Amino acid sequence: GENVEQHPSTLSVQEGDSAVIKCTYSDSASNYFPWYKQELGKRPQLIIDIRSNVGEKKDQRIAVTLNKTAKHFSLHITETQPEDSAVYFCAASTGYSNYQLIWGAGTKLIIKP
Amino acid sequence: DAGVIQSPRHEVTEMGQEVTLRCKPISGHDYLFWYRQTMMRGLELLIYFNNNVPIDDSGMPEDRFSAKMPNASFSTLKIQPSEPRDSAVYFCASSLSGANVLTFGAGSRLTVL
Repeated sequence: GENVEQHPSTLSVQEGDSAVIKCTYSDSASNYFPWYKQELGKRPQLIIDIRSNVGEKKDQRIAVTLNKTAKHFSLHITETQPEDSAVYFCAASTGYSNYQLIWGAGTKLIIKP
Repeated sequence: DAGVIQSPRHEVTEMGQEVTLRCKPISGHDYLFWYRQTMMRGLELLIYFNNNVPIDDSGMPEDRFSAKMPNASFSTLKIQPSEPRDSAVYFCASSLSGANVLTFGAGSRLTVL
């Protein structure tokens, strides 16, 4: 079955710098890759997602890139701000009859003032 | 829409007691998921329903756990008897078929003493 590995587990960056979180997946049939943000004590919320027919997607300071050949996808946050501090989860799904998302273990992003 | 509604938000109980967690999905969503989140194990899918029918309960830890969805607007997760290792945050999430996007509830934090 699918396995998703996420790195790093903790990432500390200076405010204003960029942050990159990377996930690798094992099932080449996976075609949907969302990223969720979970602030301390809150619920996970979708921030961006990408499907396998697209190589990159941007939404303001956030972007996701997908490399299907290497089976990895990454979250890029530019000009980081204090409110970006949270745990970020990646996930992968084949998205056909099985709607199960396979989750990464999460990355705790710390923005240093 | 008020989003996914979970109750109770916090539950403290003693080992051996029955615990019932409740969830009201977003109206019109046809998928409902129960997740458990702990520091050690991250986000774990326990069970999910499609059109009120349980599709995959392979994530349910053991027979002490049961879930029902009697109608499209209500689901319960029951633990009987509860044990200290069941202490976790339990999230309910719903999604619309074909969209993959999960909308999470605020979670129910369970503490079993």
